[in-house]
Amino acid sequence: GESVGLHLPTLSVQEGDNSIINCAYSNSASDYFIWYKQESGKGPQFIIDIRSNMDKRQGQRVTVLLNKTVKHLSLQIAATQPGDSAVYFCAEKRNSNYQLIWGAGTKLIIKP
Amino acid sequence: SQTIHQWPATLVQPVGSPLSLECTVEGTSNPNLYWYRQAAGRGLQLLFYSVGIGQISSEVPQNLSASRPQDRQFILSSKKLLLSDSGFYLCAWSRTDLSPLHFGNGTRLTVT
Repeated sequence: GESVGLHLPTLSVQEGDNSIINCAYSNSASDYFIWYKQESGKGPQFIIDIRSNMDKRQGQRVTVLLNKTVKHLSLQIAATQPGDSAVYFCAEKRNSNYQLIWGAGTKLIIKP
Repeated sequence: SQTIHQWPATLVQPVGSPLSLECTVEGTSNPNLYWYRQAAGRGLQLLFYSVGIGQISSEVPQNLSASRPQDRQFILSSKKLLLSDSGFYLCAWSRTDLSPLHFGNGTRLTVT
């Protein structure tokens, strides 16, 4: 079936470097994409979202890039900090469908 | 600002016992409400979805049920718990179908 998936289950990054977390989606009809951060024992926390009429959106230290041609979504975190350690999920949705389709998650590990 | 409360944080219940998890949202009206379950190290599975009082959509046939007795209250229930009901249960709300979901901190349920 249609799904959203992640290329890497674990990503180790040196503190201070930039992190890039990737996500592939298979449904070209998807028009809304979200990134979540989940720390151990907590609920997912909204980071940033992007609609399909955009290819880039920036937040505080985070940037989401959407490449509809290859159905690829990425989350860039600038100057990674220890507090960025978490599992990151991408999710996608079609306008006519209320259900979010979730990726499996990528664990981001920050090396001191 | 909006807040979501979910309780209890942890729960240990014997097989065959009933379950009632409660979730309330403050600071918004007529939210979309969701119940998700998350297996360890995995993504989120949508269990129930509600667009209004008394309106419940079930995504997965199972041993659980949901109710929305008030606009900002969402309850997850079971008459008789199974071992397979163990997991991390998350309540969430959103303004519309194309806005981010905001999650509570979850309930860790262990059925023994």
